[in-house]
Amino acid sequence: AQKITQTQPGMFVQEKEAVTLDCTYDTSDPSYGLFWYKQPSSGEMIFLIYQGSYDQQNATEGRYSLNFQKARKSANLVISASQLGDSAMYFCAMREGPNSSASKIIFGSGTRLSIRP
Amino acid sequence: EAQVTQNPRYLITVTGKKLTVTCSQNMNHEYMSWYRQDPGLGLRQIYYSMNVEVTDKGDVPEGYKVSRKEKRNFPLILESPSPNQTSLYFCASSWTSGGAGEQFFGPGTRLTVL
Repeated sequence: AQKITQTQPGMFVQEKEAVTLDCTYDTSDPSYGLFWYKQPSSGEMIFLIYQGSYDQQNATEGRYSLNFQKARKSANLVISASQLGDSAMYFCAMREGPNSSASKIIFGSGTRLSIRP
Repeated sequence: EAQVTQNPRYLITVTGKKLTVTCSQNMNHEYMSWYRQDPGLGLRQIYYSMNVEVTDKGDVPEGYKVSRKEKRNFPLILESPSPNQTSLYFCASSWTSGGAGEQFFGPGTRLTVL
C-alpha cells in the first residue's frame, strides 16, 4: 500500500538559511508522482513543486527544489534562503499510476516550519 | 479567474441532519477530489472522480457520498453526520490524476457536528 511519511512535526529555522523538509514514500508502482504543498496560517493549499518518478532531473521552482532519491524513496523539499513568509505547514503527497489512470492521492501528516527573524 | 469554490465555508450542524457541501471548478478539469484535514493526520482523501459519472473511494469514504453529474460540480453529501466528521474539508481539481497535474484547492469548509 502506498504511504507517505514526514518525520518532522515541526522545525525552526533562522531567516535566510536553507531548510530541508523530509519526505519518504512507499509504493510498489513504478509510475508515480510526488508533490509538495504549502499551507499558511490562512488555510489555503498552495502547490509548490512536482517530481515524476521517471524524471531524470530533480525538480526546481524558484527557491524550491526537490531532492529526489529514488532508491531511498525519499523526496525532500529544499527551500533556499528562507523568508519569514515561508512559515507554514508543508505537506508531501503522492499519487500512483500512469497519467491517464484513476488513482488515489495520499498526503503525509505535514511539517510545520517556523522561520525566526 | 480560475478557481475552485466551496460552499458553505463554515457550517455548524447537529448529529443526523443531512448536509451537502458544494464544490465547483471553472477550469474544465477532469479530476476532482474531496479531502478532510485533521490535526496530526494531514489530508486524507474521501472520494475522487476521474470524470462525469466516474467516482471512486479514497481512504476514508465511510459516512460520505458524492456525485459527479456535471464536469464542474462535485458535491459532498453527509447523509447522517456524526461528531467524528467534524473536520476541515477541501475540494480539489486537476486536469488528470497524474503527470504534473497539480491540484487546485478550494478555500476549505470547516464543519462542526454537535
